[in-house]
This record gives sequence, C-alpha cells and structure tokens, in this order.
Amino acid sequence: QKEVEQDPGPLSVPEGAIVSLNCTYSNSAFQYFMWYRQYSRKGPELLMYTYSSGNKEDGRFTAQVDKSSKYISLFIRDSQPSDSATYLCAMSANQKVTFGTGTKLQVIP
Amino acid sequence: GAVVSQHPSWVICKSGTSVKIECRSLDFQATTMFWYRQFPKQSLMLMATSNEGSKATYEQGVEKDKFLINHASLTLSTLTVTSAHPEDSSFYICSARATSGGSYNEQFFGPGTRLTVL
Repeated sequence: QKEVEQDPGPLSVPEGAIVSLNCTYSNSAFQYFMWYRQYSRKGPELLMYTYSSGNKEDGRFTAQVDKSSKYISLFIRDSQPSDSATYLCAMSANQKVTFGTGTKLQVIP
Repeated sequence: GAVVSQHPSWVICKSGTSVKIECRSLDFQATTMFWYRQFPKQSLMLMATSNEGSKATYEQGVEKDKFLINHASLTLSTLTVTSAHPEDSSFYICSARATSGGSYNEQFFGPGTRLTVL
C-alpha cells in the first residue's frame, strides 16, 4: 500500500466550476500537508500548506485536512483555464516529504 | 519568492556517458537540497537529501555510486548520473530548503532537467 494515494485523473471541468481534489494517506506520523501545482515540464509550485485538521483558505483555494480520516482535499472555486495543471498532494514527517501521484486537471473554457 | 534554478533544462546523451546537473538557490542559502526523479505520469520520488558540506543520504534503492551528489556550497548542489543508460531517462528535479529545524520549512523547487539517454 502506498503511503499517499491520489487519483491521477484526468479531471475535466467547465470554466467556473468548483473543483475538488483529494488524497488519502496511511502514515499517521505526517504532520504537514501541502498542495503543489505542476505545469507540464516544470517543477512543482507550492500552493498551500496546513498543519492541523480543518480548513485553510487562500483566495479561490481552500485546503481541508481531516486527520481522523487521513484525508485531505483541495477545493478550487471559480476555476479558470489557467488552473489547468497537475495538482500534487504532499505530506511531511521528520522533514521528509512524500508526494501523491498527482491529479491532472483540465478547465475547459 | 525564493528562486531555484537548474542547468541544463534539457540534455540528451549517449549511453555510457556521464551527465552533470546543477541546482542553484539564487536568492537564499540552502542548508539542505533534495533531488527527485519523476517518470511520466508518476509522482516525484525522492532520490537523495544533501546537506552542505556532508555526504548525501540516499533513499532505498538509489545507487549512490551511480548518482553522485555534491553539495559544496550553500547555493549549489550537483547531481552526476554516471554511465547513463536509457532507463535513466527521466525528469530530474531539485529542491532547496533554507533552514533546518523541527517545524516545516518550505522546499523551493527548481524547474527540472529532462534527461534523455540514447
């Protein structure tokens, strides 16, 4: 079993839709939870990180962590074509980061 | 924000040759740098962690004699793929972290280097 599970997609949504991206994990030692965006043939870019269970909002993005269920989510409101990318969840324990496989998102104009 | 560069961005080499990839933190000092490998449609897999002035720590299954890592300064780490073979073709990404400690310190990623071994 992988430590971090993420549906690879692809996920296609119309412009303006609310997007929900999810990951599950098995390692209860994970303390920090991150979401990265990666455009094709580019390095990942950090979008958000959270430490505790609950919600964290930044503009159109909301990160949600449920440690009891070992489940994290990223919501994107009013999705734009420029949001089309691969979104990777990542989790950290003891300074080591483990990534999900990434979900490829396409927002159609 | 902090910037990490990689050079080259794309390299093609013949089987059996060695390739060096540079990773630089441009506007901060990186005590720790990480090297990842990413195959198509797969996630980033950590290859090794390097701290300035000390030997790199390799992940299980990564051959340290094949993937030589040098972190000679606080702004530069290099990855040398020795005697490269076609199965080494991949996207190599470095990241850099500014300080060490118990709390989360963001890793800043470079743009990646695409290696193709013929």
